[in-house]
Amino acid sequence: DVVMTQSPLSLPVTLGQPASISCRSSQSLVYSDGNTYLNWFQQRPGQSPRRLIYKVSNRDSGVPDRFSGGGSGTDFTLKISRVEAEDVGVYYCMQGTHWPLTFGGGTKVEIK
Amino acid sequence: EVQLVESGGGLVKPGGSLRLSCEASGFTFSTYTMNWVRQAPGKGLEWVSSISSRSDYILYADSVRGRFTISRDNAKNSLYLQMNSLRAEDTAVYYCARGGRASDWFDSWGQGTLVTVSS
Repeated sequence: DVVMTQSPLSLPVTLGQPASISCRSSQSLVYSDGNTYLNWFQQRPGQSPRRLIYKVSNRDSGVPDRFSGGGSGTDFTLKISRVEAEDVGVYYCMQGTHWPLTFGGGTKVEIK
Repeated sequence: EVQLVESGGGLVKPGGSLRLSCEASGFTFSTYTMNWVRQAPGKGLEWVSSISSRSDYILYADSVRGRFTISRDNAKNSLYLQMNSLRAEDTAVYYCARGGRASDWFDSWGQGTLVTVSS
């Protein structure tokens, strides 16, 4: 199975400051069609997960442009340019290239 | 608006069975791969099973293969998960999630239904 390793586990951030979450996969996530199926999900407290980013860097509809995704191969990053109070929650990366589909362990973003 | 509404969760004894349902609306259900993803209390997300639009491919996580069966009824816009031989470690919120690789995986999620396996 592809292991997805996120860091840090916890990320205290000051409002208005940037935040960055790392996700590393144990194998390349480049699929045979040339795409890299690496997604980012946000789960606010008490809510269902919501997809933010798909295929590394594509923002879903309605996702603020302060969220951005990047990376390639086995190393990926989710960045929040200026953290707002509504960004509090747990963020998960997920790979959709190899079976079984696997998620990272999550990074908890909280306000300092 | 895409809506996914899960139901069927509850308290069940170890070794028991439960059938979860997910009713879809707001999109053409029959054209999407559908999935079940679970989350144990206080833990992360775990993919459980996927079924293609015409049910011609079905996949399971090793942890549930042989005990869980995913199915769908496109005429009823519904997805199901039959769970047998339940174990304490199956205790989780079970989410229905839309989309396979063609839609870049899990673009919409339901609110989840809680399954508790305990004696």
